[in-house]
Amino acid sequence: GNSVTQMEGPVTLSEEAFLTINCTYTATGYPSLFWYVQYPGEGLQLLLKATKADDKGSNKGFEATYRKETTSFHLEKGSVQVSDSAVYFCALINAGGTSYGKLTFGQGTILTVHP
Amino acid sequence: NAGVMQNPRHLVRRRGQEARLRCSPMKGHSHVYWYRQLPEEGLKFMVYLQKENIIDESGMPKERFSAEFPKEGPSILRIQQVVRGDSAAYFCASSPPGDIRYTFGSGTRLTVV
Repeated sequence: GNSVTQMEGPVTLSEEAFLTINCTYTATGYPSLFWYVQYPGEGLQLLLKATKADDKGSNKGFEATYRKETTSFHLEKGSVQVSDSAVYFCALINAGGTSYGKLTFGQGTILTVHP
Repeated sequence: NAGVMQNPRHLVRRRGQEARLRCSPMKGHSHVYWYRQLPEEGLKFMVYLQKENIIDESGMPKERFSAEFPKEGPSILRIQQVVRGDSAAYFCASSPPGDIRYTFGSGTRLTVV
């Protein structure tokens, strides 16, 4: 079956620090990979995605590269802001077969950024 | 173009009561997904519906839970005889046909007392 493993949190950083949140996955075939962000009391928002190997997704200064050889999709940002404080979820969709459309999520990583 | 609308935002039920959670997908989206987020956990898939059809309910508990997406009106997730362990945030997402671009609602936070 499909699974997603994220680095355990919480992660606490100072403003302008470098951020890495690790994500590895197990899936058959060629999944699409996603990072979602959840701000307190809100739903999930798509942050970025990559649909094939070596694709780089990017948005709002965040980046992640789809690495098939290491089955990873690590999230990075060069300089975090206080407003980036949220929960970050790595997820995949196995587009094909019975898994089509069904997102499999990691457990989430809480990020807190201090001024 | 309104996003995915879920109501209520917060729902409190006593043990043994029924909970009904509603989800109106985005305009033009005919696919609806329900996910549950237990405290301090990631989201878990529950059910995938298209209009008048349940496509995949492999994540639904076998008893007390049901879902529907009628031809007209919102999708409904129904939990009968709620127990404390049902307390969670329930998120709905919708997508266009044949498209993996999900849009999530803001969720319904169910508390069973």
